[in-house]
Amino acid sequence: ETGVTQTPRHLVMGMTNKKSLKCEQHLGHNAMYWYKQSAKKPLELMFVYSLEERVENNSVPSRFSPECPNSSHLFLHLHTLQPEDSALYLCASSQETVTGELFFGEGSRLTVL
Amino acid sequence: SQQGEEDPQALSIQEGENATMNCSYKTSINNLQWYRQNSGRGLVHLILIRSNEREKHSGRLRVTLDTSKKSSSLLITASRAADTASYFCATSPMAGGYNKLIFGAGTRLAVHP
Repeated sequence: ETGVTQTPRHLVMGMTNKKSLKCEQHLGHNAMYWYKQSAKKPLELMFVYSLEERVENNSVPSRFSPECPNSSHLFLHLHTLQPEDSALYLCASSQETVTGELFFGEGSRLTVL
Repeated sequence: SQQGEEDPQALSIQEGENATMNCSYKTSINNLQWYRQNSGRGLVHLILIRSNEREKHSGRLRVTLDTSKKSSSLLITASRAADTASYFCATSPMAGGYNKLIFGAGTRLAVHP
């Protein structure tokens, strides 16, 4: 496989559930990102990991918990979400010291009931 | 905080026509990038222009950057129905030690056969 792969592509969960989104990159990059895309709003940067260390946390509620066990994998753990958290969650990676270009996955469409 | 703002929000043209989208931003940047997103999918990088560059070409794409006006434009020449998508500008702010891209709200382009 190549590029950035996100699973699941679609997820429906209740407000009391606990679920996780997974992202895997096969590009040898050393930085990974979570973005949130809601309807009619700009992409919101949620978390940035560089060399497996979190370097950015954009005031994201604690019900979103990221995990980066190695430079190829990134998780977003979800618990007690709200309906307004329904959105497309996009993972991206980059070789941060080079071009600055981000490579995105196809996204995980989350619906919170 | 939102950095890039695209204009117009939506654009509808006929095949063969040119499409021009504009982006304005607020702070000093390292580079500015344009991305494309088909409905409900991930973003795809189109072109990157550095702060010391004024114009860049890639196939049917032409990007200009005016740092004095803090603005950029993306021109798609001889448009095709397959160009129908949302287009986002993203800026890499000068401050910060990692690749942090701030996206605008995007321009929705519809190209009619």
